[in-house]
Amino acid sequence: DAGVTQSPTHLIKTRGQQVTLRCSPKSGHDTVSWYQQALGQGPQFIFQYYEEEERQRGNFPDRFSGHQFPNYSSELNVNALLLGDSALYLCASSRSGLPLGEQYFGPGTRLTVT
Amino acid sequence: GESVGLHLPTLSVQEGDNSIINCAYSNSASDYFIWYKQESGKGPQFIIDIRSNMDKRQGQRVTVLLNKTVKHLSLQIAATQPGDSAVYFCAETSPPGSSNTGKLIFGQGTTLQVKP
Repeated sequence: DAGVTQSPTHLIKTRGQQVTLRCSPKSGHDTVSWYQQALGQGPQFIFQYYEEEERQRGNFPDRFSGHQFPNYSSELNVNALLLGDSALYLCASSRSGLPLGEQYFGPGTRLTVT
Repeated sequence: GESVGLHLPTLSVQEGDNSIINCAYSNSASDYFIWYKQESGKGPQFIIDIRSNMDKRQGQRVTVLLNKTVKHLSLQIAATQPGDSAVYFCAETSPPGSSNTGKLIFGQGTTLQVKP
């Protein structure tokens, strides 16, 4: 049983460009959350998707958007990239109704903006 | 605003000793707390959790203590091993109906270094 998978592992983008990150949740999970982790910091909540809708959002600008597909996989899109968007982007999946401690994290996508 | 913070950025212990990692939180509405371990190149991994109606919970070699009076959380690791070397985060969330429902708020993390 595969855990949470994310792609790509690493990528490098230029300021002003757009990027799409992908996440496949753990089997049996229907909820996907995205976090941004800057170097040396704790993860910061971006948003959460359930039933293909954004259910909860953190303090991130509208440049950050997402999508959840019928198979529960999810994408994170970031437009007009800034240098400060350089970070590890973590996807976490869980099953609705279970405690957040039952949430599983993927290995992350390392985004570098130059 | 809410924040979850850790007292020390780095903790260095001798293999076999016990480790204690501390965390302070500011949101008195938080009712669920989790400790995570993050190794280099990996996502956070669940260690142990505790609800606000408890003050202590034990797992295998780990114990979490919660002091709601001073809004303090600690993780104790018994007989620390080299494989315990990682960054440790505490995280909190709030009950349904609150602004933080469904999302985890993480602290900055404490790096645990285990010396052989």
